[in-house]
Amino acid sequence: GQSLEQPSEVTAVEGAIVQINCTYQTSGFYGLSWYQQHDGGAPTFLSYNALDGLEETGRFSSFLSRSDSYGYLLLQELQMKDSASYFCAGDVYNTDKLIFGTGTRLQVFP
Amino acid sequence: GAVVSQHPSRVICKSGTSVKIECRSLDFQATTMFWYRQFPKKSLMLMATSNEGSKATYEQGVEKDKFLINHASLTLSTLTVTSAHPEDSSFYICSATGTSGTGELFFGEGSRLTVL
Repeated sequence: GQSLEQPSEVTAVEGAIVQINCTYQTSGFYGLSWYQQHDGGAPTFLSYNALDGLEETGRFSSFLSRSDSYGYLLLQELQMKDSASYFCAGDVYNTDKLIFGTGTRLQVFP
Repeated sequence: GAVVSQHPSRVICKSGTSVKIECRSLDFQATTMFWYRQFPKKSLMLMATSNEGSKATYEQGVEKDKFLINHASLTLSTLTVTSAHPEDSSFYICSATGTSGTGELFFGEGSRLTVL
């Protein structure tokens, strides 16, 4: 089957750096995306890795290693507003479907 | 950017009734839309792929007769929860692929269904 596993919760303080890992159990993903979701809201797109390596977008960076079936989201200079749930998502080969990871709840403390 | 609008944002209904949720792509044409379901503090579970002009493709374990999906135009997909039960109470979110080529999915605001 297809599954993407993430740590359930991560805590950090303002200004810190945090890494959220995502490991997946299938080779059927074309790329890996990351989404942020605040409580009660819809997911919003953060980044996408179609190729192995690091993609940097402002304070957020995302990494993918296909050989290790592993990716991570790196959040730098954490702010209180970054407290949210973060999901990795794999897009399935030959479809437009996205399968979401288990999700990580990030809590940023002052 | 691509905008997806969902309506209603919240709905409360009695057990046994049917509820329709609309998903519209406002500034682009979406031949494919996706319906997700999310329980509190859980991940988004793909329910079905909605294809314009053809039958929806349902994920394993999703009852197609209970969750009716219609994609009658390039900008509108509807999800009807038939004969709703309290266990159907959930957050339902639709999404569509934009034209950026990045694989980004654009999500509607979501619809919170509460079945009494």
